[in-house]
Amino acid sequence: DTAVSQTPKYLVTQMGNDKSIKCEQNLGHDTMYWYKQDSKKFLKIMFSYNNKELIINETVPNRFSPKSPDKAHLNLHINSLELGDSAVYFCASSQEGDRVNSPLHFGNGTRLTVT
Amino acid sequence: DQQVKQNSPSLSVQEGRISILNCDYTNSMFDYFLWYKKYPAEGPTFLISISSIKDKNEDGRFTVFLNKSAKHLSLHIVPSQPGDSAVYFCAASDGFSGGYNKLIFGAGTRLAVHP
Repeated sequence: DTAVSQTPKYLVTQMGNDKSIKCEQNLGHDTMYWYKQDSKKFLKIMFSYNNKELIINETVPNRFSPKSPDKAHLNLHINSLELGDSAVYFCASSQEGDRVNSPLHFGNGTRLTVT
Repeated sequence: DQQVKQNSPSLSVQEGRISILNCDYTNSMFDYFLWYKKYPAEGPTFLISISSIKDKNEDGRFTVFLNKSAKHLSLHIVPSQPGDSAVYFCAASDGFSGGYNKLIFGAGTRLAVHP
């Protein structure tokens, strides 16, 4: 009955490879997010989708491409992986227009290690 | 440029005593503040929030205080329990992202509650 689930939990890959992280939520929320926790432990927003439409796109390299096939899924595809992409990536969801009553619900994260 | 700062990376408190976690922010446009709790290998979970129109919000053992003039908020946990041992993240948002949860996070404070 996991609310926000991400796969895989761990991902180890070599520089230059392309990889994807999948996220699904069963909370009925219409907005999903990707956050990145870097080595300094800050959580920073990368993207947000509302009903499959991109609404927030922070300064993220073009190698990162989110895909939302429906409002319950938001996947993250990363091309040409670099060492600096190593981080923990968190998926989250909430309900649009209700940041007070609908705080972010996070998944358990995907630890990406690029060697 | 860190808009949300948690200057204490760690805090150790005896069980039954009060835990006080502090957070400072620099952006005067922030109007909503949240605390998240994170256990190892899990995603952050929402704990408590406060709107800028209030100076205090209480939920059981957890109370958040907001001092807008000082751009400072704090989380009080009374009494502290061993299960409270986790990393606590302070987060803030403004009203310019619509109803979307574009949160700015601090780096977190690791709380250890010992018997």
